[in-house]
Amino acid sequence: DIQVTQSPLFLSVSVGDTVSVTCRTSQDIGTYLAWYQQKPGNAPKLLIYAASTLQSGVPSRFSGSGSGTEFTLTIRSLQPEDIATYYCQQLDSFPPHAFGQGTKLEIK
Amino acid sequence: EVQLVESGGGLVQPGGSLRLSCAASGFTFSSYWMSWVRQAPGKGLEWVANIKQDGSEKYYVDSVKGRFTISRDNAKNSLYLQMNSLRAEDTAVYYCARTEPSGSYRYWGQGTLVTVSS
Repeated sequence: DIQVTQSPLFLSVSVGDTVSVTCRTSQDIGTYLAWYQQKPGNAPKLLIYAASTLQSGVPSRFSGSGSGTEFTLTIRSLQPEDIATYYCQQLDSFPPHAFGQGTKLEIK
Repeated sequence: EVQLVESGGGLVQPGGSLRLSCAASGFTFSSYWMSWVRQAPGKGLEWVANIKQDGSEKYYVDSVKGRFTISRDNAKNSLYLQMNSLRAEDTAVYYCARTEPSGSYRYWGQGTLVTVSS
């Protein structure tokens, strides 16, 4: 199975910050990676797929990069509504379509 | 508008069974892989199972193999998860999700809570 490791697990941030979350996989997955945002009590929301393609309707301050085994989600000029938990998910091979552990953003 | 609505969750004793349903609307259900994802209270997301458009391929996470069965009825636009031999560690909100051609999960249901406890 492909292992997915996110870092950091917690991030203390301020409005206006640029934030980066890293996702590493145990095998080369090309660009078969997605990023999701989840707020408490809600289902996850797809932000980015194919490692760097922004889902329609997602603000352009969100961006994704990387390929192979290392990927990054970047949020520029963080807004209050961006406070959430972020997950990556490998989509190269299953089972399973494993998720990372999640990165929880908290206001400093 | 794409909608996924889960039902069937509830409280069940360890060793018991439960069948979850996911009613799909607003798209051609038979054209998409579908998946179940769960989230234990206060924990992260865990992929559980998925099923091909015609039901001919099904895949499971190791922890549910032999206990859970994913199925679909394309005539009823419905996805199912039969859960047997339930354990306390199966307690979670269960989401159904549509798998896009990219492999990502664009549409999710609101989730249904399964609690396994005596």
